[in-house]
Amino acid sequence: QKEVEQDPGPLSVPEGAIVSLNCTYSNSAFQYFMWYRQYSRKGPELLMYTYSSGNKEDGRFTAQVDKSSKYISLFIRDSQPSDSATYLCAMSEGGSEKLVFGKGTKLTVNP
Amino acid sequence: DSGVTQTPKHLITATGQRVTLRCSPRSGDLSVYWYQQSLDQGLQFLIQYYNGEERAKGNILERFSAQQFPDLHSELNLSSLELGDSALYFCASTPRQANYGYTFGSGTRLTVV
Repeated sequence: QKEVEQDPGPLSVPEGAIVSLNCTYSNSAFQYFMWYRQYSRKGPELLMYTYSSGNKEDGRFTAQVDKSSKYISLFIRDSQPSDSATYLCAMSEGGSEKLVFGKGTKLTVNP
Repeated sequence: DSGVTQTPKHLITATGQRVTLRCSPRSGDLSVYWYQQSLDQGLQFLIQYYNGEERAKGNILERFSAQQFPDLHSELNLSSLELGDSALYFCASTPRQANYGYTFGSGTRLTVV
């Protein structure tokens, strides 16, 4: 079983839709959870960061972590064509110096 | 611009050759990470340096090596290249630990023919 599992999609939605992206993980020592956005032929950029369980909101983006289920989510409200990208989840253990990434979900938002 | 600079952006080379990829971390960041990204494997951690010293090793092949210099820039050396080494190679940096995420460079696209 991989440490981090992420549905690769692709996911195609109309503009304005609510998008839900998810990852599951097996390592209970993970404490720090991140979402990265990667546009085609670019480096990943940090979108959201969450420590332990709970929710975090930033504009149209909401990150949720459920450590009891080993499940994290990213919600995008009022999705825009500019949100079309690959979204990668990433996580690390407390004090670790390494991030473990999911394979990414490719999202297309159609105008 | 993320502040992490990678050169070259593209590299095409033949099998059996050796190449060097270069990374300059964001100003003030002491940790440098190298990742390989391929379509089927996603982002795979290769190696980490902190302030000039190797700190962690991942799935790095013996044909690959890296170092971090006193000015904190890092180089990833890939030798005896094979077709399967074709991938995007990313460098990322952090001030120290990874808890708050990395800042990635824009990557070097390596094509081995």
